[in-house]
Amino acid sequence: DTGVSQDPRHKITKRGQNVTFRCDPISEHNRLYWYRQTLGQGPEFLTYFQNEAQLEKSRLLSDRFSAERPKGSFSTLEIQRTEQGDSAMYLCASSHRTGANTGELFFGEGSRLTVL
Amino acid sequence: QQQVKQSPQSLIVQKGGISIINCAYENTAFDYFPWYQQFPGKGPALLIAIRPDVSEKKEGRFTISFNKSAKQFSLHIMDSQPGDSATYFCAARKDVNKFYFGSGTKLNVKP
Repeated sequence: DTGVSQDPRHKITKRGQNVTFRCDPISEHNRLYWYRQTLGQGPEFLTYFQNEAQLEKSRLLSDRFSAERPKGSFSTLEIQRTEQGDSAMYLCASSHRTGANTGELFFGEGSRLTVL
Repeated sequence: QQQVKQSPQSLIVQKGGISIINCAYENTAFDYFPWYQQFPGKGPALLIAIRPDVSEKKEGRFTISFNKSAKQFSLHIMDSQPGDSATYFCAARKDVNKFYFGSGTKLNVKP
């Protein structure tokens, strides 16, 4: 297993267009997270899945954002009617917490979105 | 309101020197404090982590010092190397799944 993979790595779009990002977590990980990172800042939590259930969403996730994780495997993050303020790196992370395992986050390399 | 405050924003250290990055928090519900290292164009990678019942943890050249009463923790990088040049994020976790990250410290180790 090569870790968390994200696609595409870079996306340039015009304001008002829709974009979709995909995340493939580490195969045995049951938890999947989406974070957003802007330049010079730490990652900010967007949403979290345990298996296929979306258990929490941040207030940062406006109604233009939707995330899914069908069958508890890969996940998609869609942004509708993109705005320039959506320009950021979108990071996916996965974890698997059992017993003494601390449930550390394993991040992908991110999908960088630029909205013109 | 930022849950974890990190300083300095940037740091320049000579090769062989000690790099020190500090973080502070307020919420006593945090139960796990990891540090992440991020290289340009890459996602953050776990470097070292500590639980609040331990005052210090060392892994190779990297040490976390934890002061529970002061609600502060710091990362020390001994014998800093140019390959350590990266952005470092402290983080704190509560409620099993909620991780809060500091704003990051860009470390530049001069050869």
